[in-house]
Amino acid sequence: GESVGLHLPTLSVQEGDNSIINCAYSNSASDYFIWYKQESGKGPQFIIDIRSNMDKRQGQRVTVLLNKTVKHLSLQIAATQPGDSAVYFCAENGENTGNQFYFGTGTSLTVIP
Amino acid sequence: NAGVMQNPRHLVRRRGQEARLRCSPMKGHSHVYWYRQLPEEGLKFMVYLQKENIIDESGMPKERFSAEFPKEGPSILRIQQVVRGDSAAYFCASSPPGAPLFFGEGSRLTVL
Repeated sequence: GESVGLHLPTLSVQEGDNSIINCAYSNSASDYFIWYKQESGKGPQFIIDIRSNMDKRQGQRVTVLLNKTVKHLSLQIAATQPGDSAVYFCAENGENTGNQFYFGTGTSLTVIP
Repeated sequence: NAGVMQNPRHLVRRRGQEARLRCSPMKGHSHVYWYRQLPEEGLKFMVYLQKENIIDESGMPKERFSAEFPKEGPSILRIQQVVRGDSAAYFCASSPPGAPLFFGEGSRLTVL
């Protein structure tokens, strides 16, 4: 199976600070990566994606960075807000012909007011 | 445009009973994926289906679990003779090809 891991299981930040969540992936064949946010009792919510032909992609308050050399992915959240408190997962598509994504165990982000 | 709809949201079964979880994909999506999530863990891929076809069931346990996506109606994940270890949240996702997965709110199965 695929292996997608996260460096830190928990992260606490002050409201207004920037957050950085890291992810290591193992499959060099992966060419599509997605970050999801999951609040307690809810389903994963799409945040941002990036394909392997890019190094960086920006959304609203979020930026994803991809380093294919070291197989590392990060999610940066600017001006973190209490509503950002959730578990964040990275997912990679691995070696498959469909859209089967493989998820890491997640990082729990807590925003301190 | 409704999102991915799953039901029931919560299901309680006794050991040995059957559990049926249903998923209606987003309108226009023909690909359905089932994932299982244990407490404090990530999502584990189970099965990928298109209408009337199972494309990839490599993550599905070999026994007691089955999935279908008929021509008409929702996709169904069926667990026969449930055991306590089957207690988990089961998420369904749908997508068009090559696009992100969009998830439902999940079905939480508790086996007593």
